[in-house]
Amino acid sequence: DAKTTQPNSMESNEEEPVHLPCNHSTISGTDYIHWYRQLPSQGPEYVIHGLTSNVNNRMASLAIAEDRKSSTLILHRATLRDAAVYYCILTGGRGSTLGRLYFGRGTQLTVWP
Amino acid sequence: KAGVTQTPRYLIKTRGQQVTLSCSPISGHRSVSWYQQTPGQGLQFLFEYFSETQRNKGNFPGRFSGRQFSNSRSEMNVSTLELGDSALYLCASSIGSTGRRNTEAFFGQGTRLTVV
Repeated sequence: DAKTTQPNSMESNEEEPVHLPCNHSTISGTDYIHWYRQLPSQGPEYVIHGLTSNVNNRMASLAIAEDRKSSTLILHRATLRDAAVYYCILTGGRGSTLGRLYFGRGTQLTVWP
Repeated sequence: KAGVTQTPRYLIKTRGQQVTLSCSPISGHRSVSWYQQTPGQGLQFLFEYFSETQRNKGNFPGRFSGRQFSNSRSEMNVSTLELGDSALYLCASSIGSTGRRNTEAFFGQGTRLTVV
């Protein structure tokens, strides 16, 4: 499984933007970058994914470096509900079935009121 | 649409016993995957079932097994329980095929198993 590296923890104040980094220097050309998050006492939930271009959805934005060796998940205005563990995961592109995800340790995001 | 349903939510078992956990995937999803989550090891992949066949398997002992039924519902079984099997067991469902439509896996809330 291709590996990713994330900081163990990050903190933010409510309503401020949060930039969660992820390094994936061994990414292959067909790997998609997925982000999931796990709120306390819940299963992981999908946040966003992308291949090469930056992506936006209602939850977050994903900025992907030009060489694709790193990416950043951007929460534009953090809320208390965004406090969770965020996982950056590589999947094998369109050949991947998403049936096996490697989660790593993720980043614990703390949001202060 | 209804999400992934796992039953039971909580379970307490004694060492040496066996346990069966159940997962109902989202309608139309043919892939069901199981994960074990512990504070020490994090989220670890157990196995994946697709169309009633095990398609992928993680690095767990043979005491951990599973199956999938024709309606895509899945069960996992752990025999001869050990204290170290205490964990949150998560089930995820996805379309199971490759391609554009397969963009995310959906997780259930998990079954919290405590072995005493």
